[in-house]
Amino acid sequence: EVQLLESGGGLVQPGRSLRLSCAASGFTFDYYALTWVRRAPGKGLEWVSSITSSGDDTYYADSVKDRFTVSRDISTHTLSLQMNSLRAEDTAVYYCAKGGLGGSSHLDSWGQGTLVTVSS
Amino acid sequence: QSVLTQPPSASATPGQRVTISCFGSGSNVGGNTVNWYQHLPGTAPKLLIHSNYQRPSGVPGRFSGSKSGTSASLAISGLQSEDEADYYCASWDDSLKGLVFGGGTKLTVL
Repeated sequence: EVQLLESGGGLVQPGRSLRLSCAASGFTFDYYALTWVRRAPGKGLEWVSSITSSGDDTYYADSVKDRFTVSRDISTHTLSLQMNSLRAEDTAVYYCAKGGLGGSSHLDSWGQGTLVTVSS
Repeated sequence: QSVLTQPPSASATPGQRVTISCFGSGSNVGGNTVNWYQHLPGTAPKLLIHSNYQRPSGVPGRFSGSKSGTSASLAISGLQSEDEADYYCASWDDSLKGLVFGGGTKLTVL
């Protein structure tokens, strides 16, 4: 059974940093792209970032480009999202999901999410 | 403003059929597959339909998807109270080089 477990969320002041992690299990980790999606209060789902199965290529939404960095560790089966220069509008529940890169892909498994609140 | 356009809300009574539309462009829906997700805030989103019309194992046959040109739709027949949730279409966008979602449709079962 695929399991994705996010952690690292919390309350952080504007301009500060936070690192999210997603522990993956139940599938061959280095076979699949991985994706971060967020949902802000009162808003819909928003794609944040994706990383290829090898980790060689990364993709970002314009809203987070140059502030967020996605990475993956094959040895620990962990997906990470380093979030710098956080803004109030980054407040959301962040979900990690399996898949998501390319024209025929889809997000077939999701975690329960971790809440990030950016506020002074 | 979302790249894919969905109606913000839909409603129907139990047992009825409801359809949710999703409009995009050639760089996303027109050239790539469309997926549909169901989400209740506080829970993990769930893949309902992938590759335009394919149902993952475990998704009831009441849910169906279709695509024509730059638009897609999700149909739910035999509506049940537990179908009350937010529904999102999504597709890869070749121009943006990213995944794009619709704004979501809140389905109310009356």
